[in-house]
Amino acid sequence: GQQVMQIPQYQHVQEGEDFTTYCNSSTTLSNIQWYKQRPGGHPVFLIQLVKSGEVKKQKRLTFQFGEAKKNSSLHITATQTTDVGTYFCSGGSNYKLTFGKGTLLTVNP
Amino acid sequence: DGGITQSPKYLFRKEGQNVTLSCEQNLNHDAMYWYRQDPGQGLRLIYYSQIVNDFQKGDIAEGYSVSREKKESFPLTVTSAQKNPTAFYLCASRLAGKDEQFFGPGTRLTVL
Repeated sequence: GQQVMQIPQYQHVQEGEDFTTYCNSSTTLSNIQWYKQRPGGHPVFLIQLVKSGEVKKQKRLTFQFGEAKKNSSLHITATQTTDVGTYFCSGGSNYKLTFGKGTLLTVNP
Repeated sequence: DGGITQSPKYLFRKEGQNVTLSCEQNLNHDAMYWYRQDPGQGLRLIYYSQIVNDFQKGDIAEGYSVSREKKESFPLTVTSAQKNPTAFYLCASRLAGKDEQFFGPGTRLTVL
């Protein structure tokens, strides 16, 4: 079945440093979604990418969808302590999403 | 105030007992999902339902059962056949035609 891999599994940064997490799928995706889960919380939808090569920005967050629609990345510029959490990518068919294992980001103030 | 509710937040059960986790949504969403999350793991799909009175197995359905008698409700029963039931269980819903999933606050189940 479809597999979605995320790297790195963990990332610790100093506040102000940049952060990037990568997502790779074993199959071509129709779209990819990114979610953030704060410690002790539940996943919250961040964004969806649909088009090949698409780039979207949300303030300090930049999301990219690969040209082949099999990989994606999330980049955070100048991290803040509020960015702490686990970032998940997910992709799949219309009704069934496959989630990556996520990247846990910790930020040292 | 629209959203997804899961109850209880924490649940303790003895080994060998069945337990039912509640999930209710008032978002008028068509599809509902149950995921299991273990420490350091992603979300693994247990069951999902696209419409009332219909549901499909996800990737790890063994030892679980669900029902979808109402659009708003999608309870999950963790049976005694589930070998490692201790986990964080998340319910989600989605509007037809949209891909974004809305998650409930989760239920942390501990089997003693």
